[in-house]
Amino acid sequence: GENVEQHPSTLSVQEGDSAVIKCTYSDSASNYFPWYKQELGKGPQLIIDIRSNVGEKKDQRIAVTLNKTAKHFSLHITETQPEDSAVYFCAASISKSTFGDGTTLTVKP
Amino acid sequence: ETGVTQTPRHLVMGMTNKKSLKCEQHLGHNAMYWYKQSAKKPLELMFVYNFKEQTENNSVPSRFSPECPNSSHLFLHLHTLQPEDSALYLCASSQAEGMAYEQYFGPGTRLTVT
Repeated sequence: GENVEQHPSTLSVQEGDSAVIKCTYSDSASNYFPWYKQELGKGPQLIIDIRSNVGEKKDQRIAVTLNKTAKHFSLHITETQPEDSAVYFCAASISKSTFGDGTTLTVKP
Repeated sequence: ETGVTQTPRHLVMGMTNKKSLKCEQHLGHNAMYWYKQSAKKPLELMFVYNFKEQTENNSVPSRFSPECPNSSHLFLHLHTLQPEDSALYLCASSQAEGMAYEQYFGPGTRLTVT
């Protein structure tokens, strides 16, 4: 089955800096790559996703890049703010999603 | 508000108790999921239902018993649990299974087994 590895497990940045989280996947048939943000006391919520026919997607301060040949994809958050502090999960999907182990992002004011 | 509600939000139960977790989605989705979230395994898929039919049981012990009476409701019946079953149990829904769709998660039920 699909295996997703996510790095780093924890990330601390200063407010205003950029944050990058990386994931690799094993199954070349995976074609959908969502990113979820989980705040304290809540379930994960989708923040951005990308499909395999696209290399990059951007939504305001967040962007995702996909390298299908190397089987890795990344989440980029620019101009980080304290409210970006949360746990972020990547996933790789064919018919169901396999999640990474999460990255705890802390943005220090 | 994601359109997926879970009750109760917190549950403490003894190892000999029987309890049920409830999930309801108001999104018109056809697939529903149970996940277990713990420090050991952040998002561990337990069960999947698609159009009320169970399509996945991820080697979950029989002390967890799911029920999906219709596409909007999902239950997780619990009996004779172990302390290691203490975790956050998340319900999610998506348009359908079989294609890659966004999943909508509920807030979870924090379960403590004493």
